[in-house]
Amino acid sequence: KQEVTQIPAALSVPEGENLVLNCSFTDSAIYNLQWFRQDPGKGLTSLLLIQSSQREQTSGRLNASLDKSSGRSTLYIAASQPGDSATYLCAVRDTGRRALTFGSGTRLQVQP
Amino acid sequence: DAGVIQSPRHEVTEMGQEVTLRCKPISGHNSLFWYRQTMMRGLELLIYFNNNVPIDDSGMPEDRFSAKMPNASFSTLKIQPSEPRDSAVYFCASSVQGRETQYFGPGTRLLVL
Repeated sequence: KQEVTQIPAALSVPEGENLVLNCSFTDSAIYNLQWFRQDPGKGLTSLLLIQSSQREQTSGRLNASLDKSSGRSTLYIAASQPGDSATYLCAVRDTGRRALTFGSGTRLQVQP
Repeated sequence: DAGVIQSPRHEVTEMGQEVTLRCKPISGHNSLFWYRQTMMRGLELLIYFNNNVPIDDSGMPEDRFSAKMPNASFSTLKIQPSEPRDSAVYFCASSVQGRETQYFGPGTRLLVL
């Protein structure tokens, strides 16, 4: 059974810092991996999706990498802003399944 | 587009009562997902539908839970009878089959006393 772990569980940084969020998964037979953002009391917003054949995806100040063989992904946020404060969730879709397995998230606070 | 619409946004009920959660997916989306989020277990898939047909309900916790999708624009998740351990935020998401991005609704926060 696929298990997804996110470290750290919480992170507080000053505005302007570059930061890295980590995600690891136990079964490397994945179809893709996604990073989501969740604001308090809100639903999830998809940020980046990496197919299993890809190494990374970029959107603005966000860059996500995938190392399938080692079961790891990182989300890099450049020049963090207070508006980046949210919980970031990593989710894996296994090959042959439609369901996503989510990590428990990293709660990010960017201090102005 | 209004996005995925869920109702009610908040529900407080007493143990043993029936609870019905509703979801309207984005128009044109043919896949619909129900998730549950708790502090202890995080976000878990309960069931998903393709073209109104349930495809994978392995995440449905027990017989007290049931889900239906009578048409492409409406789905319900019913809990009968409800128990305190069902307290959670229930999310509905929709997508276009073949495209990976799922669009989430704002969730229904359920509290069973």
